[in-house]
Amino acid sequence: AQSVTQLGSHVSVSEGALVLLRCNYSSSVPPYLFWYVQYPNQGLQLLLKYTTGATLVKGINGFEAEFKKSETSFHLTKPSAHMSDAAEYFCAVSVMNTGFQKLVFGTGTRLLVSP
Amino acid sequence: DGGITQSPKYLFRKEGQNVTLSCEQNLNHDAMYWYRQDPGQGLRLIYYSQIVNDFQKGDIAEGYSVSREKKESFPLTVTSAQKNPTAFYLCASDQGYYGYTFGSGTRLTVV
Repeated sequence: AQSVTQLGSHVSVSEGALVLLRCNYSSSVPPYLFWYVQYPNQGLQLLLKYTTGATLVKGINGFEAEFKKSETSFHLTKPSAHMSDAAEYFCAVSVMNTGFQKLVFGTGTRLLVSP
Repeated sequence: DGGITQSPKYLFRKEGQNVTLSCEQNLNHDAMYWYRQDPGQGLRLIYYSQIVNDFQKGDIAEGYSVSREKKESFPLTVTSAQKNPTAFYLCASDQGYYGYTFGSGTRLTVV
């Protein structure tokens, strides 16, 4: 069964520092992978997704992620953190079943950004 | 603009009471989902529906019920059988391989 593990429930960085949020997946078939961001008391917003093709995926707000099949990873990065990046981030893997997509989410990583 | 509307944003339930959370989408998506979110547990799937008049239980369906009479609407009822309903509830929809679109959520509290 497909699953996702996010390492670290909380990550703290200083403003301007590199952001690295880790995600490892388990899948018996080539996965579709997603990163979502959630601000307090709001829904989830899609940051970026990997389906096929280029393994380095660029998303909104300067984030990017690289699909590494050999490491079963899909880590999220941003070169320079902004205060506005403070939020919770969820990695997800898609489970396809007769053309119907169901997402399995990790438990989330809360990003804290200090001045 | 197309999107998903959840209402109400905040909901209070008394012990033994059923409450219904609304979810409406104008994206023309076939599939819709309900998730429950608790601190530190991520999102857990309650129910999902691929087409009108059809829905399936997710991982934590006990104490919940849904209907899908229209493509645009997928309401969730939290019944009195759900012993710990206090949580943040998220509705989502999708049309294939592009990821989900989420509503802004309903926070349910037992009083």
